[in-house]
Amino acid sequence: QKEVEQNSGPLSVPEGAIASLNCTYSDRVSQSFFWYRQYSGKSPELIMSIYSNGDKEDGRFTAQLNKASQYVSLLIRDSQPSDSATYLCAVSGSARQLTFGSGTQLTVLP
Amino acid sequence: DGGITQSPKYLFRKEGQNVTLSCEQNLNHDAMYWYRQDPGQGLRLIYYSQIVNDFQKGDIAEGYSVSREKKESFPLTVTSAQKNPTAFYLCASSPDSTGELFFGEGSRLTVL
Repeated sequence: QKEVEQNSGPLSVPEGAIASLNCTYSDRVSQSFFWYRQYSGKSPELIMSIYSNGDKEDGRFTAQLNKASQYVSLLIRDSQPSDSATYLCAVSGSARQLTFGSGTQLTVLP
Repeated sequence: DGGITQSPKYLFRKEGQNVTLSCEQNLNHDAMYWYRQDPGQGLRLIYYSQIVNDFQKGDIAEGYSVSREKKESFPLTVTSAQKNPTAFYLCASSPDSTGELFFGEGSRLTVL
C-alpha cells in the first residue's frame, strides 16, 4: 500500500513568517511530487511540482525533495493571510497515479 | 477557455437511487481521473482512464461505475451499492506521464 503522510496540523503562523509543510512517502520508486493548495469548499490547485533532488523555488514558495529520505517539503516565505488553506502533498509512481496525503491545514494570522 | 467542467455542483439523492456526475474537458488530455474527498481527508482514487474505451479501478471503486466513450468525457455513476456516497467528488485530467493533475470545480453529493 503506497502511503503519503503529512504533519497533522493544523499549523498557525503569523503574517510574514515562514510556513514549513512536510510530507513523507513510502513508495521508493516514486518519480514526481506535487503540492496542491485547497481553499475550503474548493478544488485543489497545483502550486509546485518537483522531480529531482534538491530545491525548487517559485516566488514565495520553495519545494525541497530528498529521495534518499523519502521526504518532500514546502516552504512558504513571507506568509500572507491569503495563504490560509489546506496543503495537499501528492506523489506519483510509475502508473501515473497520484497518491495524496490527508493534508495540512495552514492558518496565517494577521 | 480551456478547462474541466463538472456538473452538477450540488446534488441531493435519496437512498437507493443511482446518480451520474458529468465531467467534460477541452484540454485534449488523454488521462482522466475521479477522486472522492471526505471532510478533513485527502483525495482517494475511484477510477481512472488513460485512453478512450479503457479505464481502471482505483482504490475505492466499489459502488461506482464509469465510461470513457469520448476523449473529452468521463462520467461517474454512483450506484445504490455505494454505502456512504455523501462526499465531494473531483474529476481531474492529466496531459503527460508526470502525473500532474488539473481539477474541475467538484460535485458535492448529499444522500438524504
